[in-house]
Amino acid sequence: DAGVIQSPRHEVTEMGQEVTLRCKPISGHNSLFWYRQTMMRGLELLIYFNNNVPIDDSGMPEDRFSAKMPNASFSTLKIQPSEPRDSAVYFCASSFTSGRAAEQFFGPGTRLTVL
Amino acid sequence: AQSVSQHNHHVILSEAASLELGCNYSYGGTVNLFWYVQYPGQHLQLLLKYFSGDPLVKGIKGFEAEFIKSKFSFNLRKPSVQWSDTAEYFCAVNEGDDKIIFGKGTRLHILP
Repeated sequence: DAGVIQSPRHEVTEMGQEVTLRCKPISGHNSLFWYRQTMMRGLELLIYFNNNVPIDDSGMPEDRFSAKMPNASFSTLKIQPSEPRDSAVYFCASSFTSGRAAEQFFGPGTRLTVL
Repeated sequence: AQSVSQHNHHVILSEAASLELGCNYSYGGTVNLFWYVQYPGQHLQLLLKYFSGDPLVKGIKGFEAEFIKSKFSFNLRKPSVQWSDTAEYFCAVNEGDDKIIFGKGTRLHILP
């Protein structure tokens, strides 16, 4: 199995531009999680999906952030417009949950720099 | 709300020293507990997990952790650290059925 796949691995953009991060979870997993990691705030859960349905988006910082999961094998996290304070590493993780929270498998992350 | 506390933000040890990283959680229900490791520039990887059974859990690379229910603790230990153990370590606990809450992490630096 290739594991969780994220793209791009690095993204440099200018303030105000739209950014789209992509994630392909491990086949067969039914939960998908988006995290943001910064030095100041550590690892923060932004949103998670179960069976393609958003369950908890309370960690999404503001309306500029949106996430979708159109099918079981693909998810996007979009920032529009982007701001310098959005610079961080964004991780996608997936797991198979069946009544109890299970081990999450993390992707390699997308390092986002907003100038 | 669920919370996870890692007492040490930054730990510096010499090679061959023994390691213990503290972790306390607040969840009062049935717990799943995890320790993840993040090597420099890499993503998080699972070190070990506890779901049920023997409270002393052995993981990869010589790490182990002990679940003490009465203390709401799940401390990570290793008897003799190596330079390659330099990394950030995250304790995590489930919140409900799907979500895992991560601690702030402990940065471990091993001196050669």
